[in-house]
Amino acid sequence: NAGVTQTPKFQVLKTGQSMTLQCAQDMNHEYMSWYRQDPGMGLRLIHYSVGAGITDQGEVPNGYNVSRSTTEDFPLRLLSAAPSQTSVYFCASSYGEVNGNTIYFGEGSWLTVV
Amino acid sequence: TQLLEQSPQFLSIQEGENLTVYCNSSSVFSSLQWYRQEPGEGPVLLVTVVTGGEVKKLKRLTFQFGDARKDSSLHITAAQPGDTGLYLCADDGGGSNYKLTFGKGTLLTVNP
Repeated sequence: NAGVTQTPKFQVLKTGQSMTLQCAQDMNHEYMSWYRQDPGMGLRLIHYSVGAGITDQGEVPNGYNVSRSTTEDFPLRLLSAAPSQTSVYFCASSYGEVNGNTIYFGEGSWLTVV
Repeated sequence: TQLLEQSPQFLSIQEGENLTVYCNSSSVFSSLQWYRQEPGEGPVLLVTVVTGGEVKKLKRLTFQFGDARKDSSLHITAAQPGDTGLYLCADDGGGSNYKLTFGKGTLLTVNP
């Protein structure tokens, strides 16, 4: 019963390095999203996907890329990391419709950019 | 852009006390969700409220949705240390829960 799995759990990057945060879900959910959580800022939407091959930008997309080649996976790419991207990142998945459906969050990925 | 304001920002109480936290919006909610987030984990959905005036109960937690659908409250009766966590409200922006707008949260500490 894996749910939403994020890797890595912790990562330290140097400014300018690139990396990919992985997100996988085993619930056959159509919808997946990436959020970042900063102290005092709550969670903010980065990118989301409504199905394989379909992605769109959220509130804070700059500096991040996503793709959705399969229903199960939704990786988040940082092309050139900046200290402002130090944050906790959460991946979420759901069936989309609010009523009667739950959104599931992963346990988070802690990223520090130095 | 919709703004969700949660109050208080921090709350520290003793076990057995009652408490209420609030979520207010600058515009009408489409539907409102309440989450609890424990340290080192992702948010977990507690409840979704949709209809103005709606009241939902989850054990010792009571959720109310304002008649005008611009405010909501979460009341906890006889708080326990296990209730400790960050309580977040979120709006779905139109019936889809993959594009949530979150408030900044209320950090609750229940001391034994």
